[in-house]
Amino acid sequence: EVQLLESGGDLVQPGGSLRISCAASGFTFNNYAMSWVRQAPGKGLEWVSTIRGGGDVAYYADSVKGPFTISRDNSKNTLYLQMNSLRVEDTAVYYCAKAIRGYYWYFDLWGRGTLVTVSS
Amino acid sequence: DIQMTQSPSSLSASVGDRVTITCRASQGINNYLGWYQQQPGKVPKLLIYAASTVQSGVPSRFSGSGSGTDFTLTISSLQPEDVATYYCQKYDSVPLTFGGGTKVEIK
Repeated sequence: EVQLLESGGDLVQPGGSLRISCAASGFTFNNYAMSWVRQAPGKGLEWVSTIRGGGDVAYYADSVKGPFTISRDNSKNTLYLQMNSLRVEDTAVYYCAKAIRGYYWYFDLWGRGTLVTVSS
Repeated sequence: DIQMTQSPSSLSASVGDRVTITCRASQGINNYLGWYQQQPGKVPKLLIYAASTVQSGVPSRFSGSGSGTDFTLTISSLQPEDVATYYCQKYDSVPLTFGGGTKVEIK
């Protein structure tokens, strides 16, 4: 079955760090770019980051550039997001998404999401 | 950065009605536009890509059109299971940007 399964969401204090993961199955992982998209409670969707299939190039939203780092381990079919210097406004459900190349990317498969709460 | 503006932000329509949602880009994006449906409490689902190509498995009542700056998502005959928030997303450049969403309810 084709699926994405996120894990690692937690309650973190402002200024703290957290790494979330996404395990992929059912497709050839290294053939696809992968992305993180977040959704704050009651709000819309916000693209966070995308990494190419080979893991060589990554792109970030300005709101997370610097503190967040996307990476992947193609031998484990797993995507990661390392989040440092977390702020209250980073509180959101973080979705892992399989990215399809148009000119850049749209998303044809989404995980169920993992909740990151930043609060003191 | 290019901004994506959806209208209306919400709408209420009767079962069987034709529903149209608009997405406008602040600059031309060719046809690099997708549409997603997020039912209450669920994960977003891709409906349309390349502005007008319907994703496999999506009911035929959903269609998309437009190019450049103005795009529409149309539901030809609204069904109860179509209650959801709909988002457009541009992918001509980074940052990849979503519209603010349109919440569709049944009258």
